[in-house]
Amino acid sequence: DIQMTQSPSTLSASVGDRVTITCRASQSISSWLAWYQQKPGKAPKLLIYKASTLGSAVPSRFSGSGSGTEFALTISSLQPDDFATYHCQHYDSYSYTFGQGTKLEIK
Amino acid sequence: EVQLVESGGGLVQPGGSLRLSCAASGFTFSSYAMSWVRQAPGKGLEWVSAISNSGDNTYYADSVKGRFTISRDNSKNTLYLQMNSLRAEDSAVFYCAKGGCRSTSCFTDYWGQGTLVTVSS
Repeated sequence: DIQMTQSPSTLSASVGDRVTITCRASQSISSWLAWYQQKPGKAPKLLIYKASTLGSAVPSRFSGSGSGTEFALTISSLQPDDFATYHCQHYDSYSYTFGQGTKLEIK
Repeated sequence: EVQLVESGGGLVQPGGSLRLSCAASGFTFSSYAMSWVRQAPGKGLEWVSAISNSGDNTYYADSVKGRFTISRDNSKNTLYLQMNSLRAEDSAVFYCAKGGCRSTSCFTDYWGQGTLVTVSS
């Protein structure tokens, strides 16, 4: 089974900072990777799919990159609404594995 | 507007059964694969099961294989998850999730609000 590992588990940052969260796959997954944002008590929201394609109505300060085994989610300038938990997910016919999540906190 | 509304969660004893439902609206339900994803309290997301748009193909996580059954009724725009032989470790919020494309090999573009399942004596 493919394993997805996110780092860091927790990230402290300030409004206006540029931040990057990484996600590593245990074997190559091409570009079959999505990123989701989740706030406490709420359902996740799609940010990025196919590693770098922005979801509908997602602000352009969010971007995704990578292929194969190494992926990144970058927020170019943190806004107050961005403090949340971020999840990566590999998706394929038989595998929909999530990373363990990265909590983005206010410094 | 896409809406996914889960129901059927609750408290059940270990070894018991529960059936979750997800009422879908705002899109052509029969055209998209659907999934169930769960999240234990304070934990990350765990994919549980997926079903093709026609219902002909189903997939399960190893942790639920043989105990859970996913199904859909395209005439009622409803997704189901039959959960049998429930264990304490199945306790979680269960989310209904819409595939972002017609194939099951797809990300999720919309999520329901979730329904809480608690397995405890």
